[in-house]
Amino acid sequence: EVQLVESGGGVVQPGGSLRLSCAATDLIFNTYWIHWVRQVPGMGLVWVARINSDGSIITYADSVKGRFTLSRDNAKNTLHLHMSSLRAEDTAIYYCASFSVSGAYYGDYWGQGTRVTVSS
Amino acid sequence: QSVLTQPPSAFGAPGQRVVISCSGSGSNVGINPVTWYQQLPGTAPKVLIYRDDQWPSGVPDRFSGSKSGTSASLAINGLQSEDEADYYCAAWDDSLNGYVFGTGTKVTVL
Repeated sequence: EVQLVESGGGVVQPGGSLRLSCAATDLIFNTYWIHWVRQVPGMGLVWVARINSDGSIITYADSVKGRFTLSRDNAKNTLHLHMSSLRAEDTAIYYCASFSVSGAYYGDYWGQGTRVTVSS
Repeated sequence: QSVLTQPPSAFGAPGQRVVISCSGSGSNVGINPVTWYQQLPGTAPKVLIYRDDQWPSGVPDRFSGSKSGTSASLAINGLQSEDEADYYCAAWDDSLNGYVFGTGTKVTVL
């Protein structure tokens, strides 16, 4: 089964750091783009970042640029989102997802989401 | 805040037609393909329409998408109770160099 599984969410103080992980099946990890999308419960979807299948292209939303970093652990088919200098407005459910933005369609795959709360 | 604007809510009785608009600009909807996502309560989003007007396998054809200039629309024909969900348009924005989602529309079946 093709899937994505997030982990690493939790409660962190403002200014702190947290690392989210996204374990992906072979097909997704080695073939497709993977994105992070966040959503404050009851609010809309916000795109956070993306990485391509070989890690050579990484793009961040302006709101997280310089604070969030995407990396790949190829041995474990796992993507990491390193979040630092966290702010209250980073509080959200973070989804790891694979989908096309170019108009092609190979399926879209979403994890169950992991909750991040930034609070003192 | 999102650069793609949608109405916050839409309503319809079972069997009726509902249309959701998505207003963007020349750097996103105007030049890049639009995807529509459906998010059922308590679940992750799912693609409903891709490349402006194409259906993934398994999506009923009572959902249809269209685009003209910098605006896109999602129509739901023959509204059913299971269509109660949040709907989001999305497109790549060349100016922002990022993917932008619409503000979202909550569809309620009366």
